[in-house]
Amino acid sequence: ETGVTQSPTHLIKTRGQQVTLRCSSQSGHNTVSWYQQALGQGPQFIFQYYREEENGRGNFPPRFSGLQFPNYSSELNVNALELDDSALYLCAILRQGGNGYTFGSGTRLTVV
Amino acid sequence: AQSVTQLGSHVSVSEGALVLLRCNYSSSVPPYLFWYVQYPNQGLQLLLKYTTGATLVKGINGFEAEFKKSETSFHLTKPSAHMSDAAEYFCAVRGYGGATNKLIFGTGTLLAVQP
Repeated sequence: ETGVTQSPTHLIKTRGQQVTLRCSSQSGHNTVSWYQQALGQGPQFIFQYYREEENGRGNFPPRFSGLQFPNYSSELNVNALELDDSALYLCAILRQGGNGYTFGSGTRLTVV
Repeated sequence: AQSVTQLGSHVSVSEGALVLLRCNYSSSVPPYLFWYVQYPNQGLQLLLKYTTGATLVKGINGFEAEFKKSETSFHLTKPSAHMSDAAEYFCAVRGYGGATNKLIFGTGTLLAVQP
């Protein structure tokens, strides 16, 4: 149990649809990041939120967006889904005073 | 810019044998380095990390890694492999620049342990 919960665990969507993935933590943190892990690849950084503001983004288009809430939960939204968006999406939190990230178990998104 | 290279996408060892997973990094600043393990259909679990100080870092499950600045390496080792070590292993370096603490991952090494 990592203390980071992601939902849903699996999801199937049709190309062109929109999806919202969720992440929550049992304890306090200021920073949450989202990563995309395609099959057979390492995770790729999507973006990071610090105190509810996006403060870093990887090489992902604007149709990937997010939110961070005061209650230690976060969302990743993807609009206009494409087949290549099929991947495992991981949420990671940086606990206050820590140098290591704690990851959730991920959401497996399949776009058909 | 920071980057990580993991040599060997697949490594197979016998149970009880030495595990050696290779990681080389590139960083323009003193690096923070990490090893994560991923079991099938699960997220990433932190094995160990190097930030500053002692260059030999001990982690969970008997793993350790040594930071070698001269070789820009951070190889992961375990003296005796166990069947439960079969998983994918990712080396990562913390990115710098801007307001982000993003992790930059290698492509992973899939470890198989033969009985």
